[in-house]
Amino acid sequence: EVQLVESGGGLVQPGGSLRLSCAASGFTFSSYEMKWVRQAPGKGLEWVSYITGGGGSTYYADSVKGRFTISRDNAKNSLYLQMNSLRAEDTAVYYCARAGGRTNPDYWGQGTLVTVSS
Amino acid sequence: EIVMTQSPATLSVSPGERATLSCRASQSVSSNLAWYQQKPGQAPRLLIYGASTRATGIPARFSGSGSGTEFTLTISSLQSEDLAVYYCHQYNYWPPWTFGQGTKLEIK
Repeated sequence: EVQLVESGGGLVQPGGSLRLSCAASGFTFSSYEMKWVRQAPGKGLEWVSYITGGGGSTYYADSVKGRFTISRDNAKNSLYLQMNSLRAEDTAVYYCARAGGRTNPDYWGQGTLVTVSS
Repeated sequence: EIVMTQSPATLSVSPGERATLSCRASQSVSSNLAWYQQKPGQAPRLLIYGASTRATGIPARFSGSGSGTEFTLTISSLQSEDLAVYYCHQYNYWPPWTFGQGTKLEIK
């Protein structure tokens, strides 16, 4: 059974940093591209970042480019999102998602809430 | 960037009736279109990919159609557990991958 479990969310002040983790199980992690998608309170879904299976290629939404860094450790079956210079508008539930055969997410974690507030 | 527009924003349907949700892309995305269901307090779940292929374990009452710029998700006989927000998502041109704003399905 595919499982994705996020952790690392919490309350952080504007300008602060946070590192999210996603532990994967039930599939060959290194064979799959992965994504982070976020959802602000009461809002829709927004793609944040993407990484290839080997970690050699990454993409970011314009709203987080230069502030967020996606990475993975295939030996630990883990995905990460380093978030720096956080802003109030980054407040959201952050989901990690496995990218299916054509990059559309096919499995999602339950999400971790990040709140940026003073 | 491909803009995805869903309609209506809210749909109210009685149990047993048909629900039809629409999604329009600002330019052709071929058949690279997925639908997700998000129940209150839960993560999204993949329903349909490739515009019309049901994901594993999805009941046959859910069906998808369309290609290019116009897509439809149909729930043939609505059940109470189908209360959710439904999102369309294009993965033809990326980055960025883009979602519609969602259709909230209410049960009458």
